[in-house]
Amino acid sequence: DIQMTQSPSSLPASLGERVTIICRASQGISYNLNWYQQKPDGTIKPLIYYTSNLQSGVPSSFSGSRSGTDYSLTISSLEPEDFAMYYCQQDASFPYTFGAGTKLELK
Amino acid sequence: QVQLKETGPDLVQLTQTLSITCTVSGFSLSTYNVHWVRQPPGKGLEWMGAMWNGGGTDYNSAFKSRLSISRDTSKSQVFLKLNSLQTDDTAKYFCARHTGGYNYHYFDYWGQGVMVTVSS
Repeated sequence: DIQMTQSPSSLPASLGERVTIICRASQGISYNLNWYQQKPDGTIKPLIYYTSNLQSGVPSSFSGSRSGTDYSLTISSLEPEDFAMYYCQQDASFPYTFGAGTKLELK
Repeated sequence: QVQLKETGPDLVQLTQTLSITCTVSGFSLSTYNVHWVRQPPGKGLEWMGAMWNGGGTDYNSAFKSRLSISRDTSKSQVFLKLNSLQTDDTAKYFCARHTGGYNYHYFDYWGQGVMVTVSS
């Protein structure tokens, strides 16, 4: 199985701050990396698919990129509604696997 | 609009079988794939398996032969059955629509999930 190592697990940040979350794949996944947001009420929505494609309706403050085996989610300027859990997910091969999650919290 | 809704029991006894239904609206099961993902309390997400739009299935081998996914396209429902339940099967179970293009796929709509507790 492909292991997705996500960091940090917790990220204290302030409103307006720029933050980055990283996922590293244990083997090549050829840009097949997606990002999801989970709110405290449990609802999950996609943010970024195929490394860098913004899901419809998601603010342009969210972006995704790749550098080697590291995949990044960046939020350029934090809004109150951005404080949530974030998960990466690879769909390069079965079983699909998720990172352990990053809790973005208000500093 | 696209919606997915999971229904199932709140509590299931140890060693018994869990049955959850995902009822979808706003799209056809013959066109889109639906997958199951679960999340133990306070933990991360785990992919369980897939119902493909053509009727085939794929399963996470972590569930060995305990897991079965089926569907009724006429009722727009996908079913999950997980047998020989253990306490570590306590989790919120989500169904999600799976979409994409030639070389990429992702989950674009998720249900709200159903929380299931396995009790001894």
